[in-house]
Amino acid sequence: DSGVTQTPKHLITATGQRVTLRCSPRSGDLSVYWYQQSLDQGLQFLIQYYNGEERAKGNILERFSAQQFPDLHSELNLSSLELGDSALYFCASSVGWGRTGELFFGEGSRLTVL
Amino acid sequence: QQQVKQSPQSLIVQKGGISIINCAYENTAFDYFPWYQQFPGKGPALLIAIRPDVSEKKEGRFTISFNKSAKQFSLHIMDSQPGDSATYFCAASSVRNQFYFGTGTSLTVIP
Repeated sequence: DSGVTQTPKHLITATGQRVTLRCSPRSGDLSVYWYQQSLDQGLQFLIQYYNGEERAKGNILERFSAQQFPDLHSELNLSSLELGDSALYFCASSVGWGRTGELFFGEGSRLTVL
Repeated sequence: QQQVKQSPQSLIVQKGGISIINCAYENTAFDYFPWYQQFPGKGPALLIAIRPDVSEKKEGRFTISFNKSAKQFSLHIMDSQPGDSATYFCAASSVRNQFYFGTGTSLTVIP
């Protein structure tokens, strides 16, 4: 158990819909990251937050948005969903900024868009 | 632009053999090089990591070899077991805490 909690574990929805994925980082971790992993694909970095502020953006579509709340949990919002958005979405957390350290991943949220 | 390049994409090894996965990077600001292991349907989990002040780190059957001048690092799995069958990702990070992952290597260990 990494200590990173993601909900829901599975989500099935239709094209054009909007979903929200939730992540609670490990206790004490201030940085939250979101990654997308499509079938047989690597980990595509979407976005990173540190203590509520956006720190880095990767290949995140304009239809997607995220935020980190004062209690440090984070949400990834995916809107106008397309079939190609079907993927595993991982949240990860790390201790924070200024020194490198271990990245802890959640179990992921599997999104299926029909 | 791929910050970390990983090879091979897939690897098949006999039980008891040595599995070797290679990664290369360009950014000399990277100072932390972890390897992650991912089983199907699960999140990646840290396997072993190294910092550039050492050339090798060993934990059980897993060894990272690090060549700073060549900007390359590799994972060696000794005495590979069927339970090691998984996808392995190398990564690199800096003090900005941005993690860059390789494209992954699917390892199959044949009994």
